[in-house]
Amino acid sequence: KAGVTQTPRYLIKTRGQQVTLSCSPISGHRSVSWYQQTPGQGLQFLFEYFSETQRNKGNFPGRFSGRQFSNSRSEMNVSTLELGDSALYLCASKVGQGGSPLHFGNGTRLTVT
Amino acid sequence: DAKTTQPPSMDCAEGRAANLPCNHSTISGNEYVYWYRQIHSQGPQYIIHGLKNNETNEMASLIITEDRKSSTLILPHATLRDTAVYYCIVRVHTGTASKLTFGTGTRLQVTL
Repeated sequence: KAGVTQTPRYLIKTRGQQVTLSCSPISGHRSVSWYQQTPGQGLQFLFEYFSETQRNKGNFPGRFSGRQFSNSRSEMNVSTLELGDSALYLCASKVGQGGSPLHFGNGTRLTVT
Repeated sequence: DAKTTQPPSMDCAEGRAANLPCNHSTISGNEYVYWYRQIHSQGPQYIIHGLKNNETNEMASLIITEDRKSSTLILPHATLRDTAVYYCIVRVHTGTASKLTFGTGTRLQVTL
């Protein structure tokens, strides 16, 4: 079974631009979560989607948004990019809303210049 | 979710057992203990989880103390490929279950 797939793997953007990252969960997984990882803050939860609805949200500004499609694939968008948004963005999926383990992709490395 | 405390780093010789401790003294009765690891430039990888009984799978064993205030992840025969940062996380199995709170973890270095 294929794992969580994130595209693109690397991305370079300029301050003020916006970016869209894509995530394809493991087949059969309906819950998708997004995390940001930086050297200073570590891994931080962004948001979770289940059945196309946002179920949980972390403490990030409104510039960070996401959505989930009917096939469970998800995208996250960051508008008006800032230098501090440079990070590894990780997507994770799991079967349902309960306590099943999260399975992570290898992330998208975003660099903002 | 309860906080966890892990040593920042550990070394282990290849072929020996790696025992990674985690303290979670404020864990509540409905919180599970999860272990993930992250190898450089990859996403975190799920290893194992448990509530109060010891658990074993093909990757590792999880030993939880009777009072559940601490646990130990055991890699029975560590290899160089086990070099990674290991995260111990406690969480409930509810609607917020995807919101994992990662600490700084333990950096395990496996050497020849």
